[in-house]
Amino acid sequence: NAGVMQNPRHLVRRRGQEARLRCSPMKGHSHVYWYRQLPEEGLKFMVYLQKENIIDESGMPKERFSAEFPKEGPSILRIQQVVRGDSAAYFCASSQDRVGFYEQYFGPGTRLTVT
Amino acid sequence: GENVEQHPSTLSVQEGDSAVIKCTYSDSASNYFPWYKQELGKRPQLIIDIRSNVGEKKDQRIAVTLNKTAKHFSLHITETQPEDSAVYFCAASPLGGGTSYGKLTFGQGTILTVHP
Repeated sequence: NAGVMQNPRHLVRRRGQEARLRCSPMKGHSHVYWYRQLPEEGLKFMVYLQKENIIDESGMPKERFSAEFPKEGPSILRIQQVVRGDSAAYFCASSQDRVGFYEQYFGPGTRLTVT
Repeated sequence: GENVEQHPSTLSVQEGDSAVIKCTYSDSASNYFPWYKQELGKRPQLIIDIRSNVGEKKDQRIAVTLNKTAKHFSLHITETQPEDSAVYFCAASPLGGGTSYGKLTFGQGTILTVHP
């Protein structure tokens, strides 16, 4: 019973490069959420997706950040032209598409370092 | 939008003592309140949650209480053990539809240290 998978676990990028973070939800889960955790801080919501749909992207910066959850394959969080301030841990979580089952389970995170 | 305040930011207790962490929220539409435990460098792990139709929920040494009128909820850990040492986060979410469905707003976290 595999949990939420994320890769890579660690990612180092130079300023100006692109970062691609992947998230595979738990089996049977069709809702994916991305959160960002800055050092010594709490988790901040970025985006909520279902298959082929962005439901809520109110927490995502308008520029350089995008997310998708295609019909096949993992969800992708893409950060273009990274800056030092993007250095953080990025967690995804998944939940079921069933009324009454709202628990979100987190992946191990991707720690992005921008040099 | 929702705002969740959590305190204390750090909590130090002796093994066997109880620990209480409190959170307040602002949006009366929130009706789902999970608690997560995060060890250093690890993923947040769901330890207990409560929905607005109940006032208290217990799971062994962990309990959560909710006061919807006052918009606050608390985590209680009894008979603490050194392995309870971690950062604990509360969160709030509105359920039942709309674009905010499922979005968790987290508190700032509480660093709990249990001394042997």
